Amino acid sequence: EIVLTQSPATLSLSPGERATLSCRASQSVSSYLAWYQQKPGQAPRLLIYDASNRATGIPARFSGSGSGTDFTLTISSLEPEDFAVYYCQQRSNWLALTFGGGTKVEIK
Amino acid sequence: EVQLVESGGGLVQPGGSLRLSCAASGFTFSSYDMHWVRQATGKGLEWVSAIGTAGDPYYPGSVKGRFTISRENAKNSLYLQMNSLRAGDTAVYYCARVNYGDYGGAFDIWGQGTMVTVSS
Repeated sequence: EIVLTQSPATLSLSPGERATLSCRASQSVSSYLAWYQQKPGQAPRLLIYDASNRATGIPARFSGSGSGTDFTLTISSLEPEDFAVYYCQQRSNWLALTFGGGTKVEIK
Repeated sequence: EVQLVESGGGLVQPGGSLRLSCAASGFTFSSYDMHWVRQATGKGLEWVSAIGTAGDPYYPGSVKGRFTISRENAKNSLYLQMNSLRAGDTAVYYCARVNYGDYGGAFDIWGQGTMVTVSS
């Protein structure tokens, strides 16, 4: 099983600040990595697929980068609606999909 | 509108069974792989099962032999039969669509979730 480790667990920032979230895989997942945003009481929402491609309707302030084992989700300038939990997910091993443990972005 | 709506959750005793359903609308259901993903309260996301367009099922070790995923394309419906339930299966269960064509195999559509509680 490919383990995805997200860091930090919690990120305390103010609106307008830059958020940098990390996702590290226990073995290479190539570029088969997605990022999701989840708000309380809601289902996850796809943000980024194939490591660096924004899904339809996702604002340009969200960007993804990385390949192999190290990936980053960057939110260039936090808006109030961006405070949420973010998960990475790999599909490199189609028979054993895994998610990271999540990073909570909270208001400082 | 593209939509997934789960149903069938509830309270069940340890060792019991439950069948979840997911009704799809707004897209050609038969053309997409479908998955179940669960989330225990306050915890992260866990992949539970998948089914391909041909009906081929896949499971992680944690549920293999206890859960059965199936689909009925004529009814635009996805199912999850859960047997021998344990306290550790308590979670919100989401059905989710995989989109290879537009999103490289990511989950692009999710249902609102249905709560399963395993307790005596």
